[in-house]
Amino acid sequence: EAQVTQNPRYLITVTGKKLTVTCSQNMNHEYMSWYRQDPGLGLRQIYYSMNVEVTDKGDVPEGYKVSRKEKRNFPLILESPSPNQTSLYFCASSLKQGRETQYFGPGTRLLVL
Amino acid sequence: KQEVTQIPAALSVPEGENLVLNCSFTDSAIYNLQWFRQDPGKGLTSLLLIQSSQREQTSGRLNASLDKSSGRSTLYIAASQPGDSATYLCAVSGMDSSYKLIFGSGTRLLVRP
Repeated sequence: EAQVTQNPRYLITVTGKKLTVTCSQNMNHEYMSWYRQDPGLGLRQIYYSMNVEVTDKGDVPEGYKVSRKEKRNFPLILESPSPNQTSLYFCASSLKQGRETQYFGPGTRLLVL
Repeated sequence: KQEVTQIPAALSVPEGENLVLNCSFTDSAIYNLQWFRQDPGKGLTSLLLIQSSQREQTSGRLNASLDKSSGRSTLYIAASQPGDSATYLCAVSGMDSSYKLIFGSGTRLLVRP
């Protein structure tokens, strides 16, 4: 089944404790991106990747890092999480350069205490 | 700066009704527009993608139209069912290099049996 998977689905952590949210797609998509969804602010792009080893900042990149060492994986790294990063995170992918249908993962709900 | 607005914010209808959800955007320079549904605790499911050169797309009971010049799109749902209850989001893909989606705040739909 073609899909985007994220792990973990739910995470409670404390301020400053590094964490990684994994994202994997099995559709051989080139373009991948991360969004966060917050009440009243909607979905906003954090980082995106055009292909392996090609990443760039989205609208809200502060406090986040990403890497794209393999085509299928695009992990989101929070080096020192803070309470304002409490949010619902979504990974998305599309075949090429985001101009086509974007497929979203199930989301990761993060609570930073 | 592109802004996407969805009206109404919430809608409650009896089963069997035909309904229309509205989406407007401020900048007509878009590549495409995508409609998603979001169910509680789940990710975003892509419903329809309309390229900027197209006027409409259909999938089953769903029909989406696009009027790029006026900055409007509508999602028409025929013969609504309780299973259609969800939040519907529209998103536009702009012409900047990030290919990010700019989302509206969504319409929360409840179809009553």
